[in-house]
Amino acid sequence: QKEVEQNSGPLSVPEGAIASLNCTYSDRGSQSFFWYRQYSGKSPELIMFIYSNGDKEDGRFTAQLNKASQYVSLLIRDSQPSDSATYLCAVRAPSARQLTFGSGTQLTVLP
Amino acid sequence: EAQVTQNPRYLITVTGKKLTVTCSQNMNHEYMSWYRQDPGLGLRQIYYSMNVEVTDKGDVPEGYKVSRKEKRNFPLILESPSPNQTSLYFCASSPRLSKSYEQYFGPGTRLTVT
Repeated sequence: QKEVEQNSGPLSVPEGAIASLNCTYSDRGSQSFFWYRQYSGKSPELIMFIYSNGDKEDGRFTAQLNKASQYVSLLIRDSQPSDSATYLCAVRAPSARQLTFGSGTQLTVLP
Repeated sequence: EAQVTQNPRYLITVTGKKLTVTCSQNMNHEYMSWYRQDPGLGLRQIYYSMNVEVTDKGDVPEGYKVSRKEKRNFPLILESPSPNQTSLYFCASSPRLSKSYEQYFGPGTRLTVT
């Protein structure tokens, strides 16, 4: 079983819609969760991180964490074509010395 | 400008010819790491370094070596490259592991081994 799992997609949403990206993890002790965006041919860039159960909002982005169910999600409101990218979920357990990444979900926002 | 640089950006080489990919950061970060990215597999960590002279294996260390003699530099060495090491490589740094949310990635090195 992969430690961090994401639906690879592709996920297509129309412009202006809400895009919902999901990630599940296997280590119940994980406490740090990150969402990265990666445009084709570019390096990943951090867009959100969350440590506590519940929601964390930053502009059009909302990260949601449910530790009991071991999932973290990213919502993108009012999706724009410029949001089209691959979104990577990353998790770190408190004792771990590294981040573990999921394989990413490819998002396409259709004009 | 705060940045992580990698060189070369693109490299085509032949099986068995030793190569080094350099990584340098100008942010005085303690934690540095190397990842490879392959289609469908996401980012997988090769090696990481908690500080100068402190390195450890990540998830896929076979066929790679690293060194951390200076805080700013973290080169990746392929002593005898093989075609299965054809991949996109990223170097990353953060102030320390506990501040992973400040992780900066380099621009990537696309390596092809024939």
